[in-house]
Amino acid sequence: DAGVIQSPRHEVTEMGQEVTLRCKPISGHDYLFWYRQTMMRGLELLIYFNNNVPIDDSGMPEDRFSAKMPNASFSTLKIQPSEPRDSAVYFCASSLSASNNEQFFGPGTRLTVL
Amino acid sequence: RKEVEQDPGPFNVPEGATVAFNCTYSNSASQSFFWYRQDCRKEPKLLMSVYSSGNEDGRFTAQLNRASQYISLLIRDSKLSDSATYLCVVTSYGQNFVFGPGTRLSVLP
Repeated sequence: DAGVIQSPRHEVTEMGQEVTLRCKPISGHDYLFWYRQTMMRGLELLIYFNNNVPIDDSGMPEDRFSAKMPNASFSTLKIQPSEPRDSAVYFCASSLSASNNEQFFGPGTRLTVL
Repeated sequence: RKEVEQDPGPFNVPEGATVAFNCTYSNSASQSFFWYRQDCRKEPKLLMSVYSSGNEDGRFTAQLNRASQYISLLIRDSKLSDSATYLCVVTSYGQNFVFGPGTRLSVLP
């Protein structure tokens, strides 16, 4: 298995633009997680899905952020409009179950908003 | 108080040294505990789970103290390749992973 796949790996955009991050989880994993990592705040859970259904989005910073999982093999995290404070590394992770199984992380998308 | 707190880093140790990290958690209902390792500019990866009785994996030993709500990671005979950030992770039933801020380790030649 190729592991969790994320694209793009790097994204540089200007303030106000829409940004879409993509993730393909490991086949057979029922859970998909989106995280954001910054030096100041560390690794923060934004949202997670179980069987394509959003379960907890309390970590989504504000309405500018939205996430979807239209099928078991694809998820997107969208920021519209983007702001400089959104600059971070965004990780997608997947796991077989919720709290007691290993989460496998993708390589991350490094987002820079100018 | 943050849910998961870790020793501030960085820890700079010589090769061959023994180093220990602590992590404290605030939720007494926490059930599962892990240590993840994150190399510079890479994704986090599971290092080891932490079991109630403590567990060892080669040079790595993890301990859990539920009464005091902390877990620890001991690395013996440290190698240059151990240089990384070590993330403590705590979960509760029905909740998801809460990551600590991480402790950076640099093993020096």
